[in-house]
Amino acid sequence: DGGITQSPKYLFRKEGQNVTLSCEQNLNHDAMYWYRQDPGQGLRLIYYSQIVNDFQKGDIAEGYSVSREKKESFPLTVTSAQKNPTAFYLCAANRGGIKTNEKLFFGSGTQLSVL
Amino acid sequence: AQTVTQSQPEMSVQEAETVTLSCTYDTSENNYYLFWYKQPPSRQMILVIRQEAYKQQNATENRFSVNFQKAAKSFSLKISDSQLGDTAMYFCAPKFANTPLVFGKGTRLSVIA
Repeated sequence: DGGITQSPKYLFRKEGQNVTLSCEQNLNHDAMYWYRQDPGQGLRLIYYSQIVNDFQKGDIAEGYSVSREKKESFPLTVTSAQKNPTAFYLCAANRGGIKTNEKLFFGSGTQLSVL
Repeated sequence: AQTVTQSQPEMSVQEAETVTLSCTYDTSENNYYLFWYKQPPSRQMILVIRQEAYKQQNATENRFSVNFQKAAKSFSLKISDSQLGDTAMYFCAPKFANTPLVFGKGTRLSVIA
């Protein structure tokens, strides 16, 4: 089945540690996105990428980094500079990117918690 | 900046009844799209319905329909014949030109048997 796979489902981070969340898609979609979800805050955009080897900051990029070396993969690293990383992280993709009105397809999310 | 407001943090409805979730937004654009997404307890995001701003006719998908008032910048979601499976967070999300989707803070809907 085509879709977006996020792993792991649950992740724990120790103080000062960097952790990487995986996002893989087999939809052959051009654009991929990372959103952060906190209770009562809705979804906030961290980073997005419309083409391989290119990405843009979203509204809350500080403390995060991404890469887009392959069309199907868009990993998110939560660095030690992110002081409040506990949240639910959602990866999404769509055809055509932000210039189109194509709907977003979402992964099942990763819950990150701080030990 | 383009903003989205969902003024009802929580709502409840009896099974088989009708409920309306409100959404307002701010934009100076004329052509855009509007989406409603649903997030059940599984936390999987699911598209419920989509409306194109240039269309006057309100979108409908089975029990889900929208009331789109362009001048008022309002995009409410009506759920008819509510079912227990409709229990979820509902997010309004406008799509403006050349920008990523913007999500509201959501409305938590509980359907009561």
